[in-house]
Amino acid sequence: QTVVTQEPSFSVSPGGTVTLTCGLSSGSVSSSYYPNWFQQTPGQAPRTLIYSTNTRSSGVPDRFSGSILGNKAALTITGAQADDESDYYCVLYMGSGIWVFGGGTKLTVL
Amino acid sequence: QVQLQESGPGLVKPSETLSLTCAVSGYSISSGHNWGWIRQPPGKGLEWIGSIYYSGSTYYNPSLKSRVTISVDTSKNQFSLKLSSVTAADTAVYYCARVCGGDCYLKEAFDIWGQGTMVTVSS
Repeated sequence: QTVVTQEPSFSVSPGGTVTLTCGLSSGSVSSSYYPNWFQQTPGQAPRTLIYSTNTRSSGVPDRFSGSILGNKAALTITGAQADDESDYYCVLYMGSGIWVFGGGTKLTVL
Repeated sequence: QVQLQESGPGLVKPSETLSLTCAVSGYSISSGHNWGWIRQPPGKGLEWIGSIYYSGSTYYNPSLKSRVTISVDTSKNQFSLKLSSVTAADTAVYYCARVCGGDCYLKEAFDIWGQGTMVTVSS
């Protein structure tokens, strides 16, 4: 079964830029996988940041952006803030109604 | 606005069947979209369990397919999850969500979520 890979953890300084990635155990991620990115804080349901590779969800600050970098989907946070410290998940569409989440990245802002 | 609310037992015994329901308000299930379940074990990541279209077409995570049944009741505007032969590994927060169906280009995959309900598998 296809595994969606994410960095387990990442650290960024306040005001800095960080890029989280979302890859496949086999093959390359393209826009046809409709990459979505979610932010989740403890005790809360996930919130969509980015959908369809690079479209920001309503109300999401423009410091969050999505793209395809090489063979992976990417989420870039430019000008990181303290309240960006969260877990970030990507999900990819595998076809036939099947979605697969990545393992998530715990982002620390310090 | 559209709201989803999960309900069901918070404690299930090993080998039994976990049953949850998601009540949808502010939107008719029959209007479209898929409707799905996602779970999150304590301290771990998200796992898509499966989705259903209002007509009854279902899509399941291959790793859970043998134990999962998702059904829809349009008259009550709700959909349900049954997971059989549960073990401690099925202990998780279970979320229901509205899921993109068909062509998901320029659509959110999971745009509306319930608050989640914790289900513990223990004797």
